Amino acid sequence: QKEVEQDPGPLSVPEGAIVSLNCTYSNSAFQYFMWYRQYSRKGPELLMYTYSSGNKEDGRFTAQVDKSSKYISLFIRDSQPSDSATYLCAMSAGSYIPTFGRGTSLIVHP
Amino acid sequence: NAGVTQTPKFRILKIGQSMTLQCTQDMNHNYMYWYRQDPGMGLKLIYYSVGAGITDKGEVPNGYNVSRSTTEDFPLRLELAAPSQTSVYFCATIVTGTDTQYFGPGTRLTVL
Repeated sequence: QKEVEQDPGPLSVPEGAIVSLNCTYSNSAFQYFMWYRQYSRKGPELLMYTYSSGNKEDGRFTAQVDKSSKYISLFIRDSQPSDSATYLCAMSAGSYIPTFGRGTSLIVHP
Repeated sequence: NAGVTQTPKFRILKIGQSMTLQCTQDMNHNYMYWYRQDPGMGLKLIYYSVGAGITDKGEVPNGYNVSRSTTEDFPLRLELAAPSQTSVYFCATIVTGTDTQYFGPGTRLTVL
């Protein structure tokens, strides 16, 4: 079993849809949870960061962490074609060596 | 403030050739990383450094070497290029206390 599991997709949705992206993990020591967005032929950029459990909202984006289920989610409301990208989850135990998921490719079509 | 910069953007190598991928950061971060990304496979850690003069292996170090003589620079060396090293290479730094990372724009390497 990989330490972090993420469905690679692709996930194709119509513009305006609510998107749900998810990762599961096995290491209960993880405390820091990140979502990165990566546009084609670009480097990943930090989108959301959460420490420990709970929800965090930033505009159309909401990150959720459920440590009891070892499950994290990223929700995108009112999705736009400009949201089309690969979304990478990452998590860390504070060791300065984050573990990444494989990334989910999202396509938002007009 | 440029963040993390990488050169070159693209490179084609022949089998057996060598090259150095350059990475520079202007954020005065101690930690720096090299990752490779293959299609649909996420990011795999090659080497990392916790400060000038200190480096350590990551998940896939074979075929690569690194050095860290300054805080700003962290070059990655390929000595004998092989087709298996065809990939996109990303350099990154980390914000200590959050483990959030800044990535460079990447170097796309093809070995033929």
